[in-house]
Amino acid sequence: DQQVKQNSPSLSVQEGRISILNCDYTNSMFDYFLWYKKYPAEGPTFLISISSIKDKNEDGRFTVFLNKSAKHLSLHIVPSQPGDSAVYFCAASRSYKYIFGTGTRLKVLA
Amino acid sequence: EAGVVQSPRYKIIEKKQPVAFWCNPISGHNTLYWYRQNLGQGPELLIRYENEEAVDDSQLPKDRFSAERLKGVDSTLKIQPAELGDSAVYLCASSSVPGLAGGQQETQYFGPGTRLLVL
Repeated sequence: DQQVKQNSPSLSVQEGRISILNCDYTNSMFDYFLWYKKYPAEGPTFLISISSIKDKNEDGRFTVFLNKSAKHLSLHIVPSQPGDSAVYFCAASRSYKYIFGTGTRLKVLA
Repeated sequence: EAGVVQSPRYKIIEKKQPVAFWCNPISGHNTLYWYRQNLGQGPELLIRYENEEAVDDSQLPKDRFSAERLKGVDSTLKIQPAELGDSAVYLCASSSVPGLAGGQQETQYFGPGTRLLVL
């Protein structure tokens, strides 16, 4: 049973445009959500997080939105840059137990 | 600040052989995680340590997997004997927030992983 789902395995976006990556979860007890970026042959790198008591968190070009009623999380990257091309994982946590999605491969076209 | 160090980076072994992975977390980080990542999947938790105590090993296949973190710093994950299905990337991560009740934020820092291929 996949508690955290990323239904889009891949996404292509033109440089300068907005990238929107989506994530759905099933467990309403999750209280902390994160996005990680992963380049080939490297470990995941923390990008941005949000607590369940908030609905938006922004850090530079990256914004995470949380819709608790829909159990939906999204990551917006504006503007997208070629260096953003990577696999993005969302993760949900309760009591320091992290469940990861399967990842979305983002390709930003120059 | 040095990141999480893992070795080896790659390992190829034949089935039924033992294998061990080593992780040195970021200095001062008392929480250490071992994850397994299969191809096309996200990382899956195997075990979490708070200092030298394994506080969550519910997903560690204990018949063949073992882990230790004797002095609460570096850690070793062992598989004996390895099976074909153990081929995966084994990731170590560390963080500095103690294992308090949920709601307190922390950031996990991952190492580069060890890619294991069992033939």
